Amino acid sequence: DIVMTQTPLSLSVTPGQPASISCKSSQSLLHSDGKTYLYWYLQKPGQSPQLLIYEVSSRFSGVPDRFSGSGSGTDFTLKISRVEAEDVGVYYCMQGIHPVFGGGTKVEIK
Amino acid sequence: EVQLVESGGVVVQPGGSLRLSCAASGFTFDDYAMHWVRQAPGKGLEWVSLISWDGGSTYYADSVKGRFTISRDNSKNSLYLQMNSLRAEDTALYYCAKDKNYYGSAADYWGQGTLVTVSS
Repeated sequence: DIVMTQTPLSLSVTPGQPASISCKSSQSLLHSDGKTYLYWYLQKPGQSPQLLIYEVSSRFSGVPDRFSGSGSGTDFTLKISRVEAEDVGVYYCMQGIHPVFGGGTKVEIK
Repeated sequence: EVQLVESGGVVVQPGGSLRLSCAASGFTFDDYAMHWVRQAPGKGLEWVSLISWDGGSTYYADSVKGRFTISRDNSKNSLYLQMNSLRAEDTALYYCAKDKNYYGSAADYWGQGTLVTVSS
């Protein structure tokens, strides 16, 4: 089974500062169709999860451009260029080949 | 506007059965695969099951394989999860989610969830 490991477990960020979350997969997520099925979600407090990034680096509709995804193979990163108060919550990576979520990274504001 | 409304969550005894439903609207239901994802109280997200657009392909997490069955009725724009042999560890908020594609990829829209509690 593919294991998804996120770091750090939590992050406290000053508004306007950048933030970065790492997600490592135990196996390559590059599919034979050429796509890499790695997604990022944000679950804001008391809300359902929302899709931020799909296929490593494509922003979902309505997602601000301060969010970006990168990586390949087994190593992936979500970056927030300038954290805003509305970005607090738990961020999850997910691989879509045999769907599994990472453990989550809690982001809070300093 | 995409809307997904889950129902059917209740308190059930260990070993019992339950069927969850998800009513979909605001999109062409039979164009998309659908997911069930759960979240135990205070815990992270756990993917449960996926069904392709036509119901021809289904996939399950190992933790529910053989006990849960996902299905859909495209004529009713509805998704279901039949849950048998329920265990305490199945206690969770169960989300229905629409996929971006017909075959299964990212879950792009989520419902608000329905709570299943397995307890004697």
